[in-house]
Amino acid sequence: QQQVKQSPQSLIVQKGGISIINCAYENTAFDYFPWYQQFPGKGPALLIAIRPDVSEKKEGRFTISFNKSAKQFSLHIMDSQPGDSATYFCAATDSGGGADGLTFGKGTHLIIQP
Amino acid sequence: DAGVTQSPTHLIKTRGQQVTLRCSPKSGHDTVSWYQQALGQGPQFIFQYYEEEERQRGNFPDRFSGHQFPNYSSELNVNALLLGDSALYLCASANGLYEQYFGPGTRLTVT
Repeated sequence: QQQVKQSPQSLIVQKGGISIINCAYENTAFDYFPWYQQFPGKGPALLIAIRPDVSEKKEGRFTISFNKSAKQFSLHIMDSQPGDSATYFCAATDSGGGADGLTFGKGTHLIIQP
Repeated sequence: DAGVTQSPTHLIKTRGQQVTLRCSPKSGHDTVSWYQQALGQGPQFIFQYYEEEERQRGNFPDRFSGHQFPNYSSELNVNALLLGDSALYLCASANGLYEQYFGPGTRLTVT
């Protein structure tokens, strides 16, 4: 049973555009939702994370939108740049602090065309 | 400040063999988690160590075991290797309840 469903599987966006990646979860006990960025040959790097007591969190060009009733959250990358080309993973856990085992989505391969 | 380090970078083993992977957490971190990432997939949680004890475990068989040392470094052991164990093995560390930071991983190939 896949507990975190991520879409789309791949995404092509023009430079300067907005990249949007969506995730849906099933476990209502989840209370911490991070996004990770992974480049080929590297480990995932934490981008931004949100807890369900807020509906949106913004850090630079990256924004998480969270809809608790729909059990969905999304990552928006504003002014997308070629350097943003990577694989993005959403994740979730029920620890509240993020240190416990994370359940990951299958990933979105993002390509930013110059 | 060194981040999470893992060794070796790459490893090739034969079916049935045993393997040990190593991880040194980020300075100041006391919790270590291990994940398996198959090609084209998201990481899957194997287990977590805190205060030298396994605190949490994902859906992996007992062939996967681990250890945490007093300096917080950790080892992942896999016995009776199967072809399906070929993957990138990631170590992540955290300080108490806060965010996990991942190492570069060990690429294991089982032939």
